[in-house]
Amino acid sequence: SQQGEEDPQALSIQEGENATMNCSYKTSINNLQWYRQNSGRGLVHLILIRSNEREKHSGRLRVTLDTSKKSSSLLITASRAADTASYFCATDAGTGANNLFFGTGTRLTVIP
Amino acid sequence: KAGVTQTPRYLIKTRGQQVTLSCSPISGHRSVSWYQQTPGQGLQFLFEYFSETQRNKGNFPGRFSGRQFSNSRSEMNVSTLELGDSALYLCASSLGAGTLSNQPQHFGDGTRLSIL
Repeated sequence: SQQGEEDPQALSIQEGENATMNCSYKTSINNLQWYRQNSGRGLVHLILIRSNEREKHSGRLRVTLDTSKKSSSLLITASRAADTASYFCATDAGTGANNLFFGTGTRLTVIP
Repeated sequence: KAGVTQTPRYLIKTRGQQVTLSCSPISGHRSVSWYQQTPGQGLQFLFEYFSETQRNKGNFPGRFSGRQFSNSRSEMNVSTLELGDSALYLCASSLGAGTLSNQPQHFGDGTRLSIL
């Protein structure tokens, strides 16, 4: 089974608004990553946050991590139509096995 | 720097056949991972190769196999194809040192495999 689940499954907003996506996971982790996938394309790495970090920024992206709640959030500020894509979180499950587990994804639609 | 290249982009096969998919990683990357993406199961880890050795394996049947060559290029093979094998197969490369979770994975655009 997948390690993580994203919430909401789908999100539709107007251009210029902020978009927040949440990821919950089941076991302890070492790191958590966020990826974006445009329709019919591969995934693009957005940001990596380590288990000892609480917040990280990259341009218009802000990621938070709460290991006590086993959850992370991705905030995209001032959204653009080009941000329309599916967003996935990925973790290592903290088992020592070198696998990467992806969440179910949030489909973001930004309306121009 | 060229990205991860997967060939072919699209493939149609019938049940019982076998298929080989190819992945060329980013130059200098020594780790190659394979994933299966379907609407029902999402993204699932198949296996990872590093320095021509399978370092990790997901929970897939033995019909799914792979290999990595000395130039880090990788192939995955699926034998005795089933309808449920229809999926987007994604390859990702990374530098390889350490665990997969502590380094960004660079993905190709995938091979869309359809089983008739």
